[in-house]
Amino acid sequence: AQSVTQLDSQVPVFEEAPVELRCNYSSSVSVYLFWYVQYPNQGLQLLLKYLSGSTLVESINGFEAEFNKSQTSFHLRKPSVHISDTAEYFCAVSGITGRRALTFGSGTRLQVQP
Amino acid sequence: SQTIHQWPATLVQPVGSPLSLECTVEGTSNPNLYWYRQAAGRGLQLLFYSVGIGQISSEVPQNLSASRPQDRQFILSSKKLLLSDSGFYLCAWSVGQGSMFFGSGTQLSVL
Repeated sequence: AQSVTQLDSQVPVFEEAPVELRCNYSSSVSVYLFWYVQYPNQGLQLLLKYLSGSTLVESINGFEAEFNKSQTSFHLRKPSVHISDTAEYFCAVSGITGRRALTFGSGTRLQVQP
Repeated sequence: SQTIHQWPATLVQPVGSPLSLECTVEGTSNPNLYWYRQAAGRGLQLLFYSVGIGQISSEVPQNLSASRPQDRQFILSSKKLLLSDSGFYLCAWSVGQGSMFFGSGTQLSVL
């Protein structure tokens, strides 16, 4: 079984500032890792994922995350945020074998202020 | 391309009434299908998942049930709703190893 911890429930930040949303996971097997974004009253959209290969993965809108196996972390970063990045961000994990369902963290609310 | 449809978008139901939420996927075959619930201010809780027609796995004991009458159709039901069933319900699908894709969700309010 897997579990995910997102340490920050809310992260306020000013526009154009850098941001890091933290995610730690626990698993007895090798994992795939994901970040999803949810805008108000909408479903979740995949932001980026780590399946294998390079431990640094990037999204098309400037976010990146780095898989750190020794620290069991998959923190999400962006060097300069925009107002439009305001949303809820969820970290998720699944085992590479067996059940494919994702286990989600409790989410981090990113609030970008002008 | 693959798409997922979930309806209705919002639903207000009295306590004790039945429930039926429907989800369909287009553009893929034999997907894994999932129902999640998101309570206010909390993460997503997996309720049910299905790897094929008629194959349903329940993650938590509750007042809800799920059915998969067709390959790309997944239904969430209840015979009698409770106040605690209120929440945001999300249907999702995946194929093989990789990403999960979500519907737009149903906001259920039980009054």
